[in-house]
Amino acid sequence: QVQLQESGPGLVRPTQTLSLTCTVSGGSISSGDYYWSWIRQLPGKGLEWIGYIYHSGDTYYNPSLESRVSISIDTSRNQFSLKLTSVPAADTAVYFCARAHYNTGAFDIWGQGTMVTVSS
Amino acid sequence: EIVLTQSPGTLSLSPGERATLSCRTSQNIGSTFLAWYQQKPGQAPTLLIYGVSSRASGIPDRFSGSGSGTDFTLTISRLEPEDFAVYYCQQYGFSPMFSFGQGTKLEIK
Repeated sequence: QVQLQESGPGLVRPTQTLSLTCTVSGGSISSGDYYWSWIRQLPGKGLEWIGYIYHSGDTYYNPSLESRVSISIDTSRNQFSLKLTSVPAADTAVYFCARAHYNTGAFDIWGQGTMVTVSS
Repeated sequence: EIVLTQSPGTLSLSPGERATLSCRTSQNIGSTFLAWYQQKPGQAPTLLIYGVSSRASGIPDRFSGSGSGTDFTLTISRLEPEDFAVYYCQQYGFSPMFSFGQGTKLEIK
């Protein structure tokens, strides 16, 4: 059974770079069937899709965050990672990694989420 | 950019009642790439419905989805105590590729 697990610092200083990693277990990230995504949820708010990476390394980002986001993949470690630069306090959120099947576009497996606070 | 609008914002019902949740898209998305999720406090969302009307693995048949074009519905036929949560719809394929509605909170009356 495939599982996803986020890891990374829970506190980031304003203007710094937020970095998170998602480790995939129970299956291969190299499967061509899935978009590996990052999604966030601001406190008390809804869900915002940040971007995805395909096993080939192709990426697609939400235009609202595109100038500050990069997602990378390490198939040898079965991981993919998020970097969000120049963070303001407004980037404080729970960050989820998730996979979506390319046929349905539905996120069938999610990590538990990790809270990241941007504060000095 | 496509916008998904869910209604109502909050729905107050009793166990055993029928729940009808609405999701309207700002563009015609056809009849394929619309999903529904349930989220409980402190947890990640759980996929309920994909492809407008297909139930995800392990989801009880009291959950059903329907719709096409710009109007979509999630129906819970008989509410169980564990169904009270927040529900999100989500589209795939229109800019920004993936996007969610703002959510409907289903609360116990």
